[in-house]
Amino acid sequence: AQKVTQAQTEISVVEKEDVTLDCVYETRDTTYYLFWYKQPPSGELVFLIRRNSFDEQNEISGRYSWNFQKSTSSFNFTITASQVVDSAVYFCALSEAINFNKFYFGSGTKLNVKP
Amino acid sequence: DTEVTQTPKHLVMGMTNKKSLKCEQHMGHRAMYWYKQKAKKPPELMFVYSYEKLSINESVPSRFSPECPNSSLLNLHLHALQPEDSALYLCASSQEWGDNQPQHFGDGTRLSIL
Repeated sequence: AQKVTQAQTEISVVEKEDVTLDCVYETRDTTYYLFWYKQPPSGELVFLIRRNSFDEQNEISGRYSWNFQKSTSSFNFTITASQVVDSAVYFCALSEAINFNKFYFGSGTKLNVKP
Repeated sequence: DTEVTQTPKHLVMGMTNKKSLKCEQHMGHRAMYWYKQKAKKPPELMFVYSYEKLSINESVPSRFSPECPNSSLLNLHLHALQPEDSALYLCASSQEWGDNQPQHFGDGTRLSIL
């Protein structure tokens, strides 16, 4: 069974629009960690955020915000006032304490921000 | 600039060649990883090194041979690869294996097998 599902394969928006990338996860572990990474065309995966299972507080960092809801097993990522530089593939990942930091990546969402 | 450096950035090789991919980090991380990423797919874990010892081998074919000469360096030796091995190879590092800290990735090596 897939542990991380990113149902949106590709999203296109126009610059300055807000966009939300969905991530749904599945785990039986009570201690786990969720991550978001950005992969621009250059190839490097850029770390954006880590959230542990005991901290449901939403987080905002500039134009980025994350909504963690254990009740729905979701960890969604919103970009406010999107910019062309936000164009990339975004991966959500799950790490379980019992599996020693092995990352389970979602299939990724490609975000196209058009000027 | 990324804190994990991978060389070369691009590599084209024939199926009979032997080549090596290199990865270097100077963040004092004790865990290092190799991932393979095919186009439009997420990265797939290949190997994990912890304190310079191989901890995880995700059933990778023996034509891929990892090596960790010291805590800062990670190599991936390639021999007799197949066309389906063409992919982006990513190196990553983290503080410790199993601490659930973020992994920091390099830019990757784009490998093409002729």
